[in-house]
Amino acid sequence: NAGVMQNPRHLVRRRGQEARLRCSPMKGHSHVYWYRQLPEEGLKFMVYLQKENIIDESGMPKERFSAEFPKEGPSILRIQQVVRGDSAAYFCASSPGAGYNTFGSGTRLTVV
Amino acid sequence: AQKVTQAQTEISVVEKEDVTLDCVYETRDTTYYLFWYKQPPSGELVFLIRRNSFDEQNEISGRYSWNFQKSTSSFNFTITASQVVDSAVYFCALSEDGTNAGKSTFGDGTTLTVKP
Repeated sequence: NAGVMQNPRHLVRRRGQEARLRCSPMKGHSHVYWYRQLPEEGLKFMVYLQKENIIDESGMPKERFSAEFPKEGPSILRIQQVVRGDSAAYFCASSPGAGYNTFGSGTRLTVV
Repeated sequence: AQKVTQAQTEISVVEKEDVTLDCVYETRDTTYYLFWYKQPPSGELVFLIRRNSFDEQNEISGRYSWNFQKSTSSFNFTITASQVVDSAVYFCALSEDGTNAGKSTFGDGTTLTVKP
């Protein structure tokens, strides 16, 4: 039973490029959460999605960031026109809807 | 609003010492979950324990033990006979119950260094 799969594990982008981070939830989990961990900090909630719906995006930056969780396929966190301050670890978690969540191994984004 | 405070930013101990990591939380919810995670230098997040707010029994798992006290809103984590492999950043987290259970609030973490 595979856990939460995130890819790529490491992503390097030049300033101004787009970054796409993917998250495949655990089998049977229909709720996905994205978190960002800036260097030397804790994880901060970004967005909560269910299939085809954004439920809570209170932690998402207002510009350049978007997330989706289509009916088929993984959840995608997209960062447009990346800047050096976007360099961080991005974690995805999935949940069956109550009680607990399971985290992926994260994607480490480096903007050069 | 929920809040998790890990007052100890860094702790350094010598191998075989016992060490306790503190976690204090704030929430208005009557039903909630508390977690501890370990983040080793490799960066992944390793789940250690989950407790729900109705279960105040302390738990022991090998060298790890957890002390949950609702009266003081604390969920402390003790490592007995620490080992070098315990060196990591440890995070305490809090989440609501129900469909929003995956929306967790994390503390800022405690960096534990165990020296040989």
